[in-house]
Amino acid sequence: EAAVTQSPRNKVAVTGGKVTLSCNQTNNHNNMYWYRQDTGHGLRLIHYSYGAGSTEKGDIPDGYKASRPSQENFSLILELATPSQTSVYFCASGGQHQNTLYFGAGTRLSVL
Amino acid sequence: QQKVQQSPESLSVPEGGMASLNCTSSDRNFQYFWWYRQHSGEGPKALMSIFSDGDKKEGRFTAHLNKASLHVSLHIRDSQPSDSALYFCAASDYAQGLTFGLGTRVSVFP
Repeated sequence: EAAVTQSPRNKVAVTGGKVTLSCNQTNNHNNMYWYRQDTGHGLRLIHYSYGAGSTEKGDIPDGYKASRPSQENFSLILELATPSQTSVYFCASGGQHQNTLYFGAGTRLSVL
Repeated sequence: QQKVQQSPESLSVPEGGMASLNCTSSDRNFQYFWWYRQHSGEGPKALMSIFSDGDKKEGRFTAHLNKASLHVSLHIRDSQPSDSALYFCAASDYAQGLTFGLGTRVSVFP
């Protein structure tokens, strides 16, 4: 089965600090995604990528940047973290758009 | 406005019983549908996909899609305690990642 690994699993950050969440997939999938999960909002798409060097804005990109330096790695960057970005973040990978997405175990981020 | 709407928000079902979950999309661009399941502390995991009108059965799980009404349902037969989880309906318009509903929490009681 597809393997997607996220790090760290838990992170506490200070308001105004920089946070980088990392994701690695070992399945040679072209597409990778970052979602956040909040009660009452479900899973919302932040950024996605079609391959190395590409990043695209999802539905809620404000306050976030993404980086895809290689096929395997996809990072989510919060340059100036705010308490409203406290959430659980999930990375996912998948093939073509009609293919299943495989999710990592998530990163729980608290911004104080 | 939520493009993928799920009902009910929560559902309790006896062990061995049938659970029925519903999902409706308001965007006619969505052509592909999935059901995902998420256990506490884990990431969502795909249960099944359905792309054509009609029923699709995988073990104890049956999905039904009506493209004309953009309605998809999931039925869990012979529910087990391990089926207690948060269930998401998700849809794709072939443009970007999946759009998820808010989820239905299923609790299976003995």
